[in-house]
Amino acid sequence: EIVLTQSPGTLSLSPGERATLSCRASQSVNSIYLTWYQQKPGQAPRLLIYDASTRATGIPDRFSGSGSGTDFTLTISRLEPEDFAVYYCQHYDSSSWTFGQGTKVEIK
Amino acid sequence: QITLKESGPTVVKPTQTLTLTCTFSGFSLTTSGVAVAWIRQPPGKALEWLALIHWDDDKRYSSSLRNRLTITKDTSKNQVVLTMTNMDPVDTATYYCAHLYCGGDCYMDFDYWGQGTLVTVSS
Repeated sequence: EIVLTQSPGTLSLSPGERATLSCRASQSVNSIYLTWYQQKPGQAPRLLIYDASTRATGIPDRFSGSGSGTDFTLTISRLEPEDFAVYYCQHYDSSSWTFGQGTKVEIK
Repeated sequence: QITLKESGPTVVKPTQTLTLTCTFSGFSLTTSGVAVAWIRQPPGKALEWLALIHWDDDKRYSSSLRNRLTITKDTSKNQVVLTMTNMDPVDTATYYCAHLYCGGDCYMDFDYWGQGTLVTVSS
């Protein structure tokens, strides 16, 4: 079973700064099945990025995804106040879906 | 407009069976490529995928919980039901249902989610 490890656990940044979040897979994965979600307190997750780098409908272009193989990155170019949240990566393989443990982006 | 909503008990006792219902609108589970999943999240912890049912009634389960889970659908009512047996306090979590569409381009992501329902396991 593929394990996704996200780092850092918490990222403390100020509005306007750049956020770089990492998702590392325990073995090489198919990037078309690598997805990122955003979750705010008390809310359901929201689809952000699929196919490792494609923004979902309505997602601002300050969000970008990249990577391949075992290393994937979610970048928020300039943090807006509404971007402070927890971010999860997710992968699909062999009829099973796996999530990372999440990265919390908090206001510094 | 796709919406999903979870319903079920807020408290169950240890060893009991949990039954949750996902009622959805804006899509049909008879449409090729459509699926509905259940995903849970213990308080303050990460998301965990539990089960998924495809439009053609193909069912998939988490390997770690397979022997406790059953997922079914009622297309006439636009509902998906999850049962989980032998509940334990560690199963306390918010349970979400979510929509997936696998069409010509298939990314296996969950694009619409319900609001979630918190289930507490306690005697």
